[in-house]
Amino acid sequence: GESVGLHLPTLSVQEGDNSIINCAYSNSASDYFIWYKQESGKGPQFIIDIRSNMDKRQGQRVTVLLNKTVKHLSLQIAATQPGDSAVYFCAEGYGNKLVFGAGTILRVKS
Amino acid sequence: DGGITQSPKYLFRKEGQNVTLSCEQNLNHDAMYWYRQDPGQGLRLIYYSQIVNDFQKGDIAEGYSVSREKKESFPLTVTSAQKNPTAFYLCAAGLGETQYFGPGTRLLVL
Repeated sequence: GESVGLHLPTLSVQEGDNSIINCAYSNSASDYFIWYKQESGKGPQFIIDIRSNMDKRQGQRVTVLLNKTVKHLSLQIAATQPGDSAVYFCAEGYGNKLVFGAGTILRVKS
Repeated sequence: DGGITQSPKYLFRKEGQNVTLSCEQNLNHDAMYWYRQDPGQGLRLIYYSQIVNDFQKGDIAEGYSVSREKKESFPLTVTSAQKNPTAFYLCAAGLGETQYFGPGTRLLVL
């Protein structure tokens, strides 16, 4: 299978619990942020995005929080399900280019 | 994966051989991107194109070449000059800041 997850931080949660995945970004000029989900052997899937003029955005079962003061981004997944198991990574954007973090493995225990 | 297709899913390259990875999109997005993904690392930008007949080098362009003759197509050639080509290659298409990814091609060296 896909070995993209080697040496990445891992978050293990019980099915039904909430998950919080964190990301530190580097460029204070970044004005756009995206969270992606990547399952083994597949391409990244867009989850949710947020612009720098916002500090919170909600989607279906997911919430993204942005703290520009400390350059921190988090993804909250409510009622985590086994199908949420994947690698999650954030991307910061300026212009039409994105810079990607290495990712966090989310493992959901049934 | 949306309307982005990549082929083949697996590709084997012999020493000194050039190989071409296909990327096609039917999303009508102007911008297209090629990334390389290695275990434990974030995606790294190889080349990108914001319009037909124009493309720019990304962060790791050495040993790669691209063309953008049609809006729908952005093939990537891995040349013999790329000494460490084994990786998972991802193509993306973008509208504004958001990029949507294809399913990827895994390149292996024989």
